[in-house]
Amino acid sequence: DSGVTQTPKHLITATGQRVTLRCSPRSGDLSVYWYQQSLDQGLQFLIQYYNGEERAKGNILERFSAQQFPDLHSELNLSSLELGDSALYFCASSAGGSSTDTQYFGPGTRLTVL
Amino acid sequence: AQTVTQSQPEMSVQEAETVTLSCTYDTSENNYYLFWYKQPPSRQMILVIRQEAYKQQNATENRFSVNFQKAAKSFSLKISDSQLGDTAMYFCAFMKFYSGGYQKVTFGTGTKLQVIP
Repeated sequence: DSGVTQTPKHLITATGQRVTLRCSPRSGDLSVYWYQQSLDQGLQFLIQYYNGEERAKGNILERFSAQQFPDLHSELNLSSLELGDSALYFCASSAGGSSTDTQYFGPGTRLTVL
Repeated sequence: AQTVTQSQPEMSVQEAETVTLSCTYDTSENNYYLFWYKQPPSRQMILVIRQEAYKQQNATENRFSVNFQKAAKSFSLKISDSQLGDTAMYFCAFMKFYSGGYQKVTFGTGTKLQVIP
């Protein structure tokens, strides 16, 4: 158990809908990262938050947005869902302030868009 | 931009044997970090081992060790005494740390390892 929690574990929805994925980082970690893993693909970095502020953006679509709250949990919002958005979405956290940081991953949320 | 290449999409090994997974990367950076993550069928991403580029000594974690060749930009993972629980997808990852708490991590496409009883 990495200490990173993600809810829900599974999500099934229809095209055009909007969903919210939630992540709670390890205790004390300030940084949260979101990744997308499509079927049999590597991980694609989406976005990073550090202590409530957006720090870096990767290959995140405009239909997707995220935020990190004062209690450091983070939410990834996916809207106008398409079939191609079906994937495993991982959240990772790290202490955030040092080059020795390691990212620890949550169990992921499996999103299926029908 | 950094790239990470894992040239072996699939590998298999007999239980109790040793296997080496390959990873090469391309970067112009001098200070960075390399990782191997394991993703078993449960799809959980699990950190296996970490290597700092400024350290010449190869990292070791129990049955897992790396062969880090900085000049060749190579970072292979050796699994000794393979166990059935080692069956998983293994991802090599490159990390560059920037001031302000920003980490850029690039993952390879993975090597699927099957441990055969």
